[in-house]
Amino acid sequence: DAGVIQSPRHEVTEMGQEVTLRCKPISGHNSLFWYRQTMMRGLELLIYFNNNVPIDDSGMPEDRFSAKMPNASFSTLKIQPSEPRDSAVYFCASSLRISGGAGETQYFGPGTRLLVL
Amino acid sequence: GQNIDQPTEMTATEGAIVQINCTYQTSGFNGLFWYQQHAGEAPTFLSYNVLDGLEEKGRFSSFLSRSKGYSYLLLKELQMKDSASYLCAVRDRGRGSTLGRLYFGRGTQLTVWP
Repeated sequence: DAGVIQSPRHEVTEMGQEVTLRCKPISGHNSLFWYRQTMMRGLELLIYFNNNVPIDDSGMPEDRFSAKMPNASFSTLKIQPSEPRDSAVYFCASSLRISGGAGETQYFGPGTRLLVL
Repeated sequence: GQNIDQPTEMTATEGAIVQINCTYQTSGFNGLFWYQQHAGEAPTFLSYNVLDGLEEKGRFSSFLSRSKGYSYLLLKELQMKDSASYLCAVRDRGRGSTLGRLYFGRGTQLTVWP
């Protein structure tokens, strides 16, 4: 079975450029999560979707960040314009959330390592 | 939000037992998870507790006390491959019918020596 797929795996860009990260969740999963991991702040949730609808975007740092999920098999996280402090590993995760089911497990993709110069 | 605290680093030797503690303060508790993350890789799920007590899964066990806001991950018969960061994560209660979101601790870097 294919796990969560993310692309690109590595991205080096210059400050001010637009960056688009892509994620394909596990087939059949109905929830998708975007996380950012840095040494300073650890693993932080940016936004999550349930059935393609954004549920909680309180972790999105600022207006430069935006996320979309046009269908159940694809999501993007866009940073425009990018800044050096955005350098981090960005993980996408997916899960199957069942109403009343508490034992939901999130499966993480391999991550995108972003470096903004 | 949540306040999750776990030790930054721990070391142990092969074959030993190690216990990684996690304490949390939450405005609405809905489950505690442990994830393992090897350097340069993604976190992978280890265990889940929502009721008090011990959950055992092979060499790994996880314990939860909701009244104390406390959990631990117990690793037995340590192997070199267990060297990794172990992340404690707490899920809160979502709004309405939605499940909540996960809040991760900073992780405990475990080094296993031969």
